[in-house]
Amino acid sequence: DIQMTQSPSSLSASVGDRVTITCRASQSITSYLNWYQQKPGKAPKLLIYAASSLQSGVPSRFSGSGSGTDFTLTISSLQPEDFATYYCQNSYSIPITFGQGTRLEIK
Amino acid sequence: EVQLVESGGDLVKPGGSLRLSCAASQFTFSNAWMTWVRQAPGKGLEWVGRIKTNPDGGTTDYAAPVKGRFTISRDDSKNTLYLQMNSLKTEDTAVYYCTTVVGFGEVDYWGQGTLVTVSS
Repeated sequence: DIQMTQSPSSLSASVGDRVTITCRASQSITSYLNWYQQKPGKAPKLLIYAASSLQSGVPSRFSGSGSGTDFTLTISSLQPEDFATYYCQNSYSIPITFGQGTRLEIK
Repeated sequence: EVQLVESGGDLVKPGGSLRLSCAASQFTFSNAWMTWVRQAPGKGLEWVGRIKTNPDGGTTDYAAPVKGRFTISRDDSKNTLYLQMNSLKTEDTAVYYCTTVVGFGEVDYWGQGTLVTVSS
């Protein structure tokens, strides 16, 4: 199975900050990497698919990059509604695997 | 707008069985690959399994922890996805989400989730 490791596990930041979350796969997954945002008590929401494609309706302050084993999610200027937990997902091979999550908190 | 509505979550004893349903609407269900994803209380997301469309063979794949105990099926005439869970364990306690899967394997739509609690 492909292991997905996110860093950091938690992060404190302020409104307006630029934030980067990293996801590393245990083997190459080419560009089969997706990012989700989850708020407490809610289902996750797709932000980025295929490593760098912005899902329709998602603000342009979110961006993704990377290929192979190393990927990043960047939020260019944090907004109050961005404080949530973020997950990366390998969709390259079965079993589909998720990172452990990065909790983004208000500083 | 796409709707996925799960039902069937309940409190069940270890070793018991439960069937979850997911009613789909506002999209062509028969054309959609579907998955179940679960989330234990306070934990991260875990893929449970997927089912392809019938034209793609209708085949299923499962995560190791549930293989042989859980079965995913679909009824395209009823626009409904199912998850039959047998030999339930306490570690199966989670919110179970029904989802669609598209192009790069990303999940574009999620249901609201249904809670399964396995406890004596």
